[in-house]
Amino acid sequence: DTAVSQTPKYLVTQMGNDKSIKCEQNLGHDTMYWYKQDSKKFLKIMFSYNNKELIINETVPNRFSPKSPDKAHLNLHINSLELGDSAVYFCASSQASSGRWEQYFGPGTRLTVT
Amino acid sequence: RKEVEQDPGPFNVPEGATVAFNCTYSNSASQSFFWYRQDCRKEPKLLMSVYSSGNEDGRFTAQLNRASQYISLLIRDSKLSDSATYLCAADTGRRALTFGSGTRLQVQP
Repeated sequence: DTAVSQTPKYLVTQMGNDKSIKCEQNLGHDTMYWYKQDSKKFLKIMFSYNNKELIINETVPNRFSPKSPDKAHLNLHINSLELGDSAVYFCASSQASSGRWEQYFGPGTRLTVT
Repeated sequence: RKEVEQDPGPFNVPEGATVAFNCTYSNSASQSFFWYRQDCRKEPKLLMSVYSSGNEDGRFTAQLNRASQYISLLIRDSKLSDSATYLCAADTGRRALTFGSGTRLQVQP
């Protein structure tokens, strides 16, 4: 069973389009995250949700909008895609309320904007 | 200054060698630290957690030095399969982790 899953795994689209990435975790964790890993492999947090509540919103363009319908799901919608959005997007989850900060990552979504 | 800094490497070592990586962090309030392993085109996978002074798991040992604000990862008896990028992470106090940019290890036959 996959603990943290993401769809799609690959996404190729043109500039200006709108796209969504979905994430689901079956670990029973209370906190979920979106990270962006650019071509230099730097992993940077974008958003964090705890029990469906947004708790971290880093300096990310308004074109990125996360949505958490329940604590097992965290989706990422991107409007008006730009070339610079090309990267790998990772979803992660943790049981932050227990004081354990280990995060478990999904397989990533490789987004290419042409 | 980045919150978590690592030597990008690459570290090229022969099989069977012992190799150590250091990672420095700037947030003195960080309490917990982690080492992740990331293979090419894959997700980061948790290797070790460090909540106190250190942790050991088989050939892997992590040590925390709070006074100097660094964490180390020691790999003994390196295997070809240890070749990967090793990411260091520290908690930010906001239910999130800050990651270093990773250290690349290449174990050679």
